[in-house]
Amino acid sequence: GQQVMQIPQYQHVQEGEDFTTYCNSSTTLSNIQWYKQRPGGHPVFLIQLVKSGEVKKQKRLTFQFGEAKKNSSLHITATQTTDVGTYFCAGADSWGKLQFGAGTQVVVTP
Amino acid sequence: NAGVMQNPRHLVRRRGQEARLRCSPMKGHSHVYWYRQLPEEGLKFMVYLQKENIIDESGMPKERFSAEFPKEGPSILRIQQVVRGDSAAYFCASSPRDRGWGYTFGSGTRLTVV
Repeated sequence: GQQVMQIPQYQHVQEGEDFTTYCNSSTTLSNIQWYKQRPGGHPVFLIQLVKSGEVKKQKRLTFQFGEAKKNSSLHITATQTTDVGTYFCAGADSWGKLQFGAGTQVVVTP
Repeated sequence: NAGVMQNPRHLVRRRGQEARLRCSPMKGHSHVYWYRQLPEEGLKFMVYLQKENIIDESGMPKERFSAEFPKEGPSILRIQQVVRGDSAAYFCASSPRDRGWGYTFGSGTRLTVV
């Protein structure tokens, strides 16, 4: 079955630095979604990518969908303490069923 | 416009008791999904429902777990004869159309089995 892998599992970042988290699927995806979960909170939808090679930006966050629609990345520039949380990617198969990755837990040190 | 409402927020049950978790989707959303999250882990799909229909229950354990989304009222996730391993956060999400749209998650129910 479909598997979605995320790396790294943990990311310690100095405030002001950039980092990237990666998401890889074992199968071709119809779309990929990204969510953020703050500690003790619930997942919050960030964005959906549908087209091959698509790039979308939200302020300091840049999301990319690979050409083969099997991988994606989230790049955050100038990390702030408000970026703390776990970032999940979720790949949708041809039926639209979402498979979540295990998440990248981000810790920001001032 | 209220979001996805889940209750209770916290639920403590003794082993062998039943747990009932409720979820009211966002207004206008007719698709409901249940996910389970263990501490420090990702979200595991359990079941996908529309009004009065279970569309996909491939993630539901075969025994003790059931879900419904009646014509009137919230969606219910029921766990019978709970065991310690059922302790987890259970999140409900809804979307306005079928899968392929971003989900809106509720605040979750943290179930603790003692």
